[in-house]
Amino acid sequence: AQKITQTQPGMFVQEKEAVTLDCTYDTSDQSYGLFWYKQPSSGEMIFLIYQGSYDEQNATEGRYSLNFQKARKSANLVISASQLGDSAMYFCAMSLLSGGYQKVTFGIGTKLQVIP
Amino acid sequence: DTGVSQDPRHKITKRGQNVTFRCDPISEHNRLYWYRQTLGQGPEFLTYFQNEAQLEKSRLLSDRFSAERPKGSFSTLEIQRTEQGDSAMYLCASSLVGGLQETQYFGPGTRLLVL
Repeated sequence: AQKITQTQPGMFVQEKEAVTLDCTYDTSDQSYGLFWYKQPSSGEMIFLIYQGSYDEQNATEGRYSLNFQKARKSANLVISASQLGDSAMYFCAMSLLSGGYQKVTFGIGTKLQVIP
Repeated sequence: DTGVSQDPRHKITKRGQNVTFRCDPISEHNRLYWYRQTLGQGPEFLTYFQNEAQLEKSRLLSDRFSAERPKGSFSTLEIQRTEQGDSAMYLCASSLVGGLQETQYFGPGTRLLVL
């Protein structure tokens, strides 16, 4: 069974600094996808970044980058130049193809607070 | 291009009552997912539609829960005889078929409180 582990319940970062949010995963499948989502207090899950298991380069999307270390089964999110609006819950997720649909498993999240 | 919308955003009900939530996906998306998120947890899969067909249901979806997607457009999730344990955020997501890279786009959720 697939599992996502996020060990940091909460993180603080100074505005304009970079922060790394940890994520490890467990699966016996060779083909999978890794996602990060942001959830502000309003509740909506906002897609941030995607990394495929066969992608050789780390994914980047603006200030977000995914530090993918396949051998360690880790997919950490790096946010550069933090902004106050980055304060939110962040969820790591893994997708597997199961019965023709994308089965997504989420971690329990990390609460990030950006300090002015 | 409008995103996924959900209605209502908040619902308070008494135990034993029935509730129904609606989700309007992104218009060209043919897949629709329902998730439940309890406090301190990530979203958990409930069920999935491809067009109008409900193709997968989680064991979390007891017989008090029913979901429909008539005509492959909006979807409804009904909970009958609500229990306090049903209190949670109910999230809807939609996507286009696309393999592992298929990205699910979420709505704002419906927060349910059962008294």
